[in-house]
Amino acid sequence: DAGVTQSPTHLIKTRGQQVTLRCSPKSGHDTVSWYQQALGQGPQFIFQYYEEEERQRGNFPDRFSGHQFPNYSSELNVNALLLGDSALYLCASSLVHSGELFFGEGSRLTVL
Amino acid sequence: QKEVEQDPGPLSVPEGAIVSLNCTYSNSAFQYFMWYRQYSRKGPELLMYTYSSGNKEDGRFTAQVDKSSKYISLFIRDSQPSDSATYLCAMSETSNSGYALNFGKGTSLLVTP
Repeated sequence: DAGVTQSPTHLIKTRGQQVTLRCSPKSGHDTVSWYQQALGQGPQFIFQYYEEEERQRGNFPDRFSGHQFPNYSSELNVNALLLGDSALYLCASSLVHSGELFFGEGSRLTVL
Repeated sequence: QKEVEQDPGPLSVPEGAIVSLNCTYSNSAFQYFMWYRQYSRKGPELLMYTYSSGNKEDGRFTAQVDKSSKYISLFIRDSQPSDSATYLCAMSETSNSGYALNFGKGTSLLVTP
């Protein structure tokens, strides 16, 4: 049973560029959440998708957007990258009525 | 003041010791409490998931929640070098995962042989 898978694992971008990160949830899960984890910090909630709609959003600017597909997979897009966007981006999946979140290994983004 | 406070450590203990990890929080609406383990450059792994106050045990791990004091703990018995990792506490207001998890900064644990 595959867990949460994310791609790419590492990537390097320059300021002002755009990036797309991808996530496939754990089999049977219908809800996907995205978190940003800066070095030495705990993960910070970005947003959550359920039934292809953004269900809740954390304190992140509109440069951060996402999408969920009919097969429950999801994308995170970040526009106009800033140096401060350098972080580990984590995808977590769950069932809609469960608080148990299962995380992927993350995508490490470096902005130069 | 952050909603969830956690001492970042590092905490170093000898193999076989009992480890105590703690978090405090300020939001009395939190009802669900979790502990995650995160190895270097990996994603967090769910260890314990508890509701409201009380204790929960799973193998060498025991989670305690004291809502009156807004204080949660994770105990690790017979600690092993493989337990060396960062331990993150997390909490949410409802079981419906539509509510975001609020994480502590994590405590770095090193278990020495």
